[in-house]
Amino acid sequence: EPEVTQTPSHQVTQMGQEVILRCVPISNHLYFYWYRQILGQKVEFLVSFYNNEISEKSEIFDDQFSVERPDGSNFTLKIRSTKLEDSAMYFCASSPGTGNQPQHFGDGTRLSIL
Amino acid sequence: EDQVTQSPEALRLQEGESSSLNCSYTVSGLRGLFWYRQDPGKGPEFLFTLYSAGEEKEKERLKATLTKKESFLHITAPKPEDSATYLCAVQAAKSGNTPLVFGKGTRLSVIA
Repeated sequence: EPEVTQTPSHQVTQMGQEVILRCVPISNHLYFYWYRQILGQKVEFLVSFYNNEISEKSEIFDDQFSVERPDGSNFTLKIRSTKLEDSAMYFCASSPGTGNQPQHFGDGTRLSIL
Repeated sequence: EDQVTQSPEALRLQEGESSSLNCSYTVSGLRGLFWYRQDPGKGPEFLFTLYSAGEEKEKERLKATLTKKESFLHITAPKPEDSATYLCAVQAAKSGNTPLVFGKGTRLSVIA
């Protein structure tokens, strides 16, 4: 069964450094998302992406964050200058289309900021 | 603001002891309500989508139902392998690929 894959599974970074989290969505999906989950809290939406541009973003997704689809398969989330509060699990998701088609999630990248 | 509240936060059941998890929601027009299962250290795994009040979906020991204000996930004769956190999420009926709004989840433990 096709799945969303994310790398790395765990990233440890010094505060102020840049990180890039990578995702390979399911191949025939058109819509891509990033969510994050701080330990013990809800899964929160960051950004959605379609047709090579951002569709919607939350208040969390400020100027320190950016997303890119550098080629036909990868989808990346970059945090330019990490803060301690960026420590969380980051999940990538994809869906075939809009409407009420379910979003399928990867197993996440655990980001630890020291 | 769209909101999802799940109860209880944690539930401990004996193997075979049926129960229900609750998801209350407020949303500005419901496009869909989604149930996911999340194992420790893993991403949410899709279970069901419900679209309108009165709808029911079943998968093995799980059955999800929907009213205009809440959804229930009924677990019949659970087994230890059903132990996980169950997440409820809603998607508002807006144009485009609107994001999911999640609840905090119910952490289910099934004891043999």
